[in-house]
Amino acid sequence: DGGITQSPKYLFRKEGQNVTLSCEQNLNHDAMYWYRQDPGQGLRLIYYSQIVNDFQKGDIAEGYSVSREKKESFPLTVTSAQKNPTAFYLCASSFRQGGINIQYFGAGTRLSVL
Amino acid sequence: AQSVTQLDSQVPVFEEAPVELRCNYSSSVSVYLFWYVQYPNQGLQLLLKYLSGSTLVESINGFEAEFNKSQTSFHLRKPSVHISDTAEYFCAVSPSGAGSYQLTFGKGTKLSVIP
Repeated sequence: DGGITQSPKYLFRKEGQNVTLSCEQNLNHDAMYWYRQDPGQGLRLIYYSQIVNDFQKGDIAEGYSVSREKKESFPLTVTSAQKNPTAFYLCASSFRQGGINIQYFGAGTRLSVL
Repeated sequence: AQSVTQLDSQVPVFEEAPVELRCNYSSSVSVYLFWYVQYPNQGLQLLLKYLSGSTLVESINGFEAEFNKSQTSFHLRKPSVHISDTAEYFCAVSPSGAGSYQLTFGKGTKLSVIP
């Protein structure tokens, strides 16, 4: 089945620790995205990547890092510099159809701080 | 830049009653409009989209939304809700220029269907 797979579903971080969230897609989409969702805040863009080996900061990139070494994969690292990491993280990918990017989402990873 | 306002954070409604979830947007350029639905502890699913053409768009599960350019609105409606419609609904807007990767979301509206 084609889709976007995020793992793990739940993740716990200790103080001073970096953690990495996985996002894999087999939809052959060129672009991939990471969003952070907090209750009552909607979704905020962390990073996005239009092509392999290239990515751009979104609205709240501080304390996060990404890589895009393969078209299928766009992992997100939450660094120790992110002081409030507890949130639901959503990965998305999109394809271009007639100049329009339609975004599709994974099931999310819930990150909590121990 | 674009912004999206969802006027109601929570909407309770009885089963089989009609519902309207309101969405207004602000943009200096033409836009595409989307509604996504999120069930508890899941990702977002695309419910419907307005790209061009008819201002009334429909989903396969009975929802519809109407693009009103003069009022900069894209309200979501359903004539008769089911328990299974309980979820959070997000309105989103994207500039219609070619190559845009930006998608701006509203803060969401939680729809609770009461038996």
